[in-house]
Amino acid sequence: DTAVSQTPKYLVTQMGNDKSIKCEQNLGHDTMYWYKQDSKKFLKIMFSYNNKELIINETVPNRFSPKSPDKAHLNLHINSLELGDSAVYFCASSPRQGVSGANVLTFGAGSRLTVL
Amino acid sequence: GENVEQHPSTLSVQEGDSAVIKCTYSDSASNYFPWYKQELGKGPQLIIDIRSNVGEKKDQRIAVTLNKTAKHFSLHITETQPEDSAVYFCAASRSNFGNEKLTFGTGTRLTIIP
Repeated sequence: DTAVSQTPKYLVTQMGNDKSIKCEQNLGHDTMYWYKQDSKKFLKIMFSYNNKELIINETVPNRFSPKSPDKAHLNLHINSLELGDSAVYFCASSPRQGVSGANVLTFGAGSRLTVL
Repeated sequence: GENVEQHPSTLSVQEGDSAVIKCTYSDSASNYFPWYKQELGKGPQLIIDIRSNVGEKKDQRIAVTLNKTAKHFSLHITETQPEDSAVYFCAASRSNFGNEKLTFGTGTRLTIIP
């Protein structure tokens, strides 16, 4: 199936731990994103990569570090987890920039992070 | 930066009735306005979008209208069905060409009452 897939779907961990969420897309898209959705359902962009290059970096604590080994993968590593990091994290991808429709996002199913 | 406000935050309608969700945006340079539907346990999915050179766009039971002067746009769902129950997000961007970020509204939880 062509899709954006992210793992794990659920992640429960203690404060202070370090964790990673992986994302892969097989749509041939050039741009990938991480979004955070809080308990009130607000969707906020965190990072955007185009062809492995960081193009959007919102005001996110530097405990969050994205890594893009190739344009089909964008992983999110979080250090020293805090209670406020609990949220659903969505990976998304979109077609190459410069063409109409490049802003159409395909989202993964989300990774629910719970920090205890 | 862009600020997108969305109303109402929750909406319940009887099956078969119409539902309307409204959004306003602040950046007069925004010219691309998509709507996403998020079903329970899933990621948001694009259902319809409109560009600023168009005032209205329709796709079967859903339609979107745009008023650039007033800086607001709306989603209209007619003949609602139980499967329309979801959270709906509007968004705005300066470009449909991928080099400008999307700013999402705060979401509307739509419940269709059978």
